[in-house]
Amino acid sequence: DADVTQTPRNRITKTGKRIMLECSQTKGHDRMYWYRQDPGLGLRLIYYSFDVKDINKGEISDGYSVSRQAQAKFSLSLESAIPNQTALYFCATSDSVGGAYNEQFFGPGTRLTVL
Amino acid sequence: GDSVTQMEGPVTLSEEAFLTINCTYTATGYPSLFWYVQYPGEGLQLLLKATKADDKGSNKGFEATYRKETTSFHLEKGSVQVSDSAVYFCALRPGYALNFGKGTSLLVTP
Repeated sequence: DADVTQTPRNRITKTGKRIMLECSQTKGHDRMYWYRQDPGLGLRLIYYSFDVKDINKGEISDGYSVSRQAQAKFSLSLESAIPNQTALYFCATSDSVGGAYNEQFFGPGTRLTVL
Repeated sequence: GDSVTQMEGPVTLSEEAFLTINCTYTATGYPSLFWYVQYPGEGLQLLLKATKADDKGSNKGFEATYRKETTSFHLEKGSVQVSDSAVYFCALRPGYALNFGKGTSLLVTP
């Protein structure tokens, strides 16, 4: 079984709809991240969480919110989706032991299309 | 802010050719440097990393050396295979998260 799973893998929705993307991990990591990938722009950080009670905004948090329901679960919500939020969304996890050099492990991604 | 710039693709090579993907960085401190690879339809996987100047990361025949004097972390492989076709991302980690380059698409033909 995959260590980092994302649901759904693909989603098409309409402008103005509320969407939730979910991420679960079995790696036992305390840190989790949400990134979005756009063609030609690489990955950009939306939100990150160092533990259940520690949630922080990333580079492009406007229009998004998150919830860390448990150490293993980190959800990303679009309260009112708009077309420029069409992108590939990745969840990632890392361990805090060892400091800033730790590898981040990525999920398979969720492809979101907002019409 | 801290950032990386990598060469634009796509890069098309024949099997067994030599590969270089250039990556330069801008940072105020001494970040860790990474190369991630994304195979078609998959998430990103760490390919290699280096945590300080002159460190060489290596994995699966790929190598990159952390060059502080030229602020570079170029990815190299002596003989590419068709299975190396993917998108490669250079990234730096000044602190809590990763700053990625835009990615370089590599296509290796038989």
